[in-house]
Amino acid sequence: AQKITQTQPGMFVQEKEAVTLDCTYDTSDPSYGLFWYKQPSSGEMIFLIYQGSYDQQNATEGRYSLNFQKARKSANLVISASQLGDSAMYFCAMREGGGFKTIFGAGTRLFVKA
Amino acid sequence: DTEVTQTPKHLVMGMTNKKSLKCEQHMGHRAMYWYKQKAKKPPELMFVYSYEKLSINESVPSRFSPECPNSSLLNLHLHALQPEDSALYLCASSLGVGRDGYTFGSGTRLTVV
Repeated sequence: AQKITQTQPGMFVQEKEAVTLDCTYDTSDPSYGLFWYKQPSSGEMIFLIYQGSYDQQNATEGRYSLNFQKARKSANLVISASQLGDSAMYFCAMREGGGFKTIFGAGTRLFVKA
Repeated sequence: DTEVTQTPKHLVMGMTNKKSLKCEQHMGHRAMYWYKQKAKKPPELMFVYSYEKLSINESVPSRFSPECPNSSLLNLHLHALQPEDSALYLCASSLGVGRDGYTFGSGTRLTVV
């Protein structure tokens, strides 16, 4: 069965610094996709970045990059040059194979300090 | 149009009421989803529709009844809910099961009294 673990309930980062949010996963399916979503206090989930299990390079999207270590089953999100607007809940998620089911980790609350 | 629109944004209903949540997208996405999110918890999948057919039902109680009238609309009919059903209900859509993430609506905050 697929499983996503986020062990950091809350993180603090100084504005303009980089921060890494941890995510580990478990699956027996060799084909899977990993996602990161941001959820501000308004409630809407915002898709940030995707990493496929067969991708050779780490995904990047603007200030977001994914540190994908397949052997360790980790997919950490790196946010560079943090901004006050980055304060939100961040969820790591996984979808196995060609299925529609995406499961989410418990989330990490990020606080950006001015 | 790159949005998923959910209505209403807030809903308070009694345990004997019948109400419906509505979700609409015009991005040509062929998969649509209902998620339930309790406070300080991750979203939990309830239903998936693919090409207007129910693809996944995560053993959701029958007091929740989904409906997909067409490729752009997704409804969630509510009947005889319990106070523990109070939560944020999120609708999402996706083009398929590829590299694209979901596009979520802003949700309906449901309170059952």
